[in-house]
Amino acid sequence: AQSVAQPEDQVNVAEGNPLTVKCTYSVSGNPYLFWYVQYPNRGLQFLLKYITGDNLVKGSYGFEAEFNKSQTSFHLKKPSALVSDSALYFCAVRDIGNYGQNFVFGPGTRLSVLP
Amino acid sequence: NAGVTQTPKFRILKIGQSMTLQCAQDMNHNYMYWYRQDPGMGLKLIYYSVGAGITDKGEVPNGYNVSRSTTEDFPLRLELAAPSQTSVYFCASSYKPRTSGRGTDTQYFGPGTRLTVL
Repeated sequence: AQSVAQPEDQVNVAEGNPLTVKCTYSVSGNPYLFWYVQYPNRGLQFLLKYITGDNLVKGSYGFEAEFNKSQTSFHLKKPSALVSDSALYFCAVRDIGNYGQNFVFGPGTRLSVLP
Repeated sequence: NAGVTQTPKFRILKIGQSMTLQCAQDMNHNYMYWYRQDPGMGLKLIYYSVGAGITDKGEVPNGYNVSRSTTEDFPLRLELAAPSQTSVYFCASSYKPRTSGRGTDTQYFGPGTRLTVL
């Protein structure tokens, strides 16, 4: 069965510093990996995805993620954090098994960017 | 486009009551989903649909029912509300072409319905 782990419940970073939100996955076959962001009282918004090709994926709002097959990781990164980046971040892997287009989501990591 | 809309935004139910959470999308997406989000638990899939008239169970379907009579609408029904169903419910949609094995893979989410069962 597919699974996603986000080892940090909370990440704190100062504004202007680089940020990393970690994600590791377990999946049979080739993974389809995603990052979503959730602002307070809102639904999830798509940030970026890895399907195939270049291991470095660029997404919305200056975020990027690096796919590392040997480490089964898909960490989210941004070179310079903004206070407005403070939100809940979810990593997800697509399960192409019995649930059709089911996505398996990680538990989420709360990012706080301090001014 | 309004995207994915959900009503109501908030609801308080008593144990044993029933209600329907509404979800609609105007993007002509064939796939639709219902998730619940519990604190610290991420999202769990309740039901999904690959097109009008077709629905299937997800990871946590017990206590819920769905229908998909049109492409646009995907209501979620709670028949006998229980405290364990207190959660935030999200509807989502995505598009997958009929003639290929993969779609856009991107799900678009509604704003959510916060349900409390007392």
